[in-house]
Amino acid sequence: KQEVTQIPAALSVPEGENLVLNCSFTDSAIYNLQWFRQDPGKGLTSLLLIQSSQREQTSGRLNASLDKSSGRSTLYIAASQPGDSATYLCAVSEGGSEKLVFGKGTKLTVNP
Amino acid sequence: DAGVIQSPRHEVTEMGQEVTLRCKPISGHDYLFWYRQTMMRGLELLIYFNNNVPIDDSGMPEDRFSAKMPNASFSTLKIQPSEPRDSAVYFCASTSRGWRGWGVLTFGAGSRLTVL
Repeated sequence: KQEVTQIPAALSVPEGENLVLNCSFTDSAIYNLQWFRQDPGKGLTSLLLIQSSQREQTSGRLNASLDKSSGRSTLYIAASQPGDSATYLCAVSEGGSEKLVFGKGTKLTVNP
Repeated sequence: DAGVIQSPRHEVTEMGQEVTLRCKPISGHDYLFWYRQTMMRGLELLIYFNNNVPIDDSGMPEDRFSAKMPNASFSTLKIQPSEPRDSAVYFCASTSRGWRGWGVLTFGAGSRLTVL
């Protein structure tokens, strides 16, 4: 059974800092990995999708990497802004199925 | 496209009542997922469909929960009878899978259920 862990659970940084969020998973037989953002009281918004054959994806100030062999992914946020404050969730497919298993998320606060 | 549409956005009901949550996926998406989110347990997959057929319902907590997808544009999640511990935000999400791989999983805004 796929288990997804995100560390840290919460992170507070000053505006402008570069930061890294971590995601680890137990089963490397995945179809894809996705990073989402959730604002308080809202739904989830997809940020980046990495297919199993890919090593990384970039969108603007965001870069996500995937290392299947070690069961890890990182989300790099460059030059953080107060508007980046949200909870970031990592989701990984469960081996051999289409099910996406979510981590508990990292709550990010970017202070002006 | 208007995205994944869920209704109602908020539902407050009393224990023992029947609750029906509705979802309209994005047109052309052939996978539909129902998730439940609580502070304690995070996001849990309840059930998912492929081409309107239920594929895995192992996350459905009890027989009180049932889900249907009568056609490609509509799905329901029903709780009967409801209990206070069912209080949560229920999300519907849809995606597709093509020759290039998986598409982005798109979530609806969620239905916040409170059972008194």
